[in-house]
Amino acid sequence: EAQVTQNPRYLITVTGKKLTVTCSQNMNHEYMSWYRQDPGLGLRQIYYSMNVEVTDKGDVPEGYKVSRKEKRNFPLILESPSPNQTSLYFCASSSGRLGGANVLTFGAGSRLTVL
Amino acid sequence: GESVGLHLPTLSVQEGDNSIINCAYSNSASDYFIWYKQESGKGPQFIIDIRSNMDKRQGQRVTVLLNKTVKHLSLQIAATQPGDSAVYFCAEKRDNNDMRFGAGTRLTVKP
Repeated sequence: EAQVTQNPRYLITVTGKKLTVTCSQNMNHEYMSWYRQDPGLGLRQIYYSMNVEVTDKGDVPEGYKVSRKEKRNFPLILESPSPNQTSLYFCASSSGRLGGANVLTFGAGSRLTVL
Repeated sequence: GESVGLHLPTLSVQEGDNSIINCAYSNSASDYFIWYKQESGKGPQFIIDIRSNMDKRQGQRVTVLLNKTVKHLSLQIAATQPGDSAVYFCAEKRDNNDMRFGAGTRLTVKP
């Protein structure tokens, strides 16, 4: 089944404890992206990647890092999480056949709480 | 800047009625738009898309209208059903080939 898989789905952590949210897709997509979703603010993009070894900042990149060493994986790293990073996170991917993002396939989401 | 605690626009319709969800986009150079549906506890899912060389595109019970003059996009759902209750997002493809999402509209279908 074609899908985007995120882990963990739920996580409660404490301020300053580094964590990684993994994202993997099995569709050979070039484009991958991370979003956070907060009440009333919709989906805001954190980072995106047009292809392997190519990553760019989205609208809210502060406090996050990403890497794209392989086509299928796009982990989101919070080096020193803070309570304002408590949110619902989505990873998404799409083919790049028209250049960049197209119809996105989303993961099921990762709900992160930072105490 | 963004406002904290902004209420999500809502639309409440009676089952069987038609729904119209609106979206304003920012970039007159955007050439590709997508509507997504997000049900509770799930990630957004593709509904329908439209390119800027079109004014209208129809799917099954859904129609997207694009007005480039006023930079406005709408999603029409015919004969709205309880299963249509969800948050709907429009997205535009930006100059850098990236996607930008609107804040979303919550559709509630009353039986």
